[in-house]
Amino acid sequence: AQSVSQHNHHVILSEAASLELGCNYSYGGTVNLFWYVQYPGQHLQLLLKYFSGDPLVKGIKGFEAEFIKSKFSFNLRKPSVQWSDTAEYFCAVNALTGGGNKLTFGTGTQLKVEL
Amino acid sequence: SQTIHQWPATLVQPVGSPLSLECTVEGTSNPNLYWYRQAAGRGLQLLFYSVGIGQISSEVPQNLSASRPQDRQFILSSKKLLLSDSGFYLCAFRLGTYEQYFGPGTRLTVT
Repeated sequence: AQSVSQHNHHVILSEAASLELGCNYSYGGTVNLFWYVQYPGQHLQLLLKYFSGDPLVKGIKGFEAEFIKSKFSFNLRKPSVQWSDTAEYFCAVNALTGGGNKLTFGTGTQLKVEL
Repeated sequence: SQTIHQWPATLVQPVGSPLSLECTVEGTSNPNLYWYRQAAGRGLQLLFYSVGIGQISSEVPQNLSASRPQDRQFILSSKKLLLSDSGFYLCAFRLGTYEQYFGPGTRLTVT
């Protein structure tokens, strides 16, 4: 079974600082990878996704993530965070065996951006 | 476009009482449907998923059950709630590609 690890549980940054949130997964086969974000009081929403092709994917609101297959990683980055990026971020992996029906989520990273 | 609804938004129930949470999807047909429970610091735990009417896969044995009586309706139930059933329950759907889209959630408190 696949698993997902997010090593940073709480991150506090000042506005304009750079962000990198770690995500590692354990699964040897083909995977799809996702980052979801949950802003305070809002739905969980898709931030970006990787299916195939260019390992550097760009998502909404200036976020990007890089898939490094050899490291089983899919780290989320943003060059300059804003106060409005305060949210909880979840990495998720979808193994394509069995029809790819299931997402496995990491435990989440709570990001707080201070003015 | 597709939308997903969950109700109620919040629920307070005594231990031993029954539970029924409902999720409906609009604007699509034959979606995969999912129930998750979200706990602080523990991410999202998949409880059930369904690929069609009457087809339910259970991921974690527990005090809950799920049903899909109609194509776009997914129900999470319990005959007798436990304190440990408290949590935030999310419904999600998936279309042809692999990403899932989530509803607003139901906050359940068992007292």
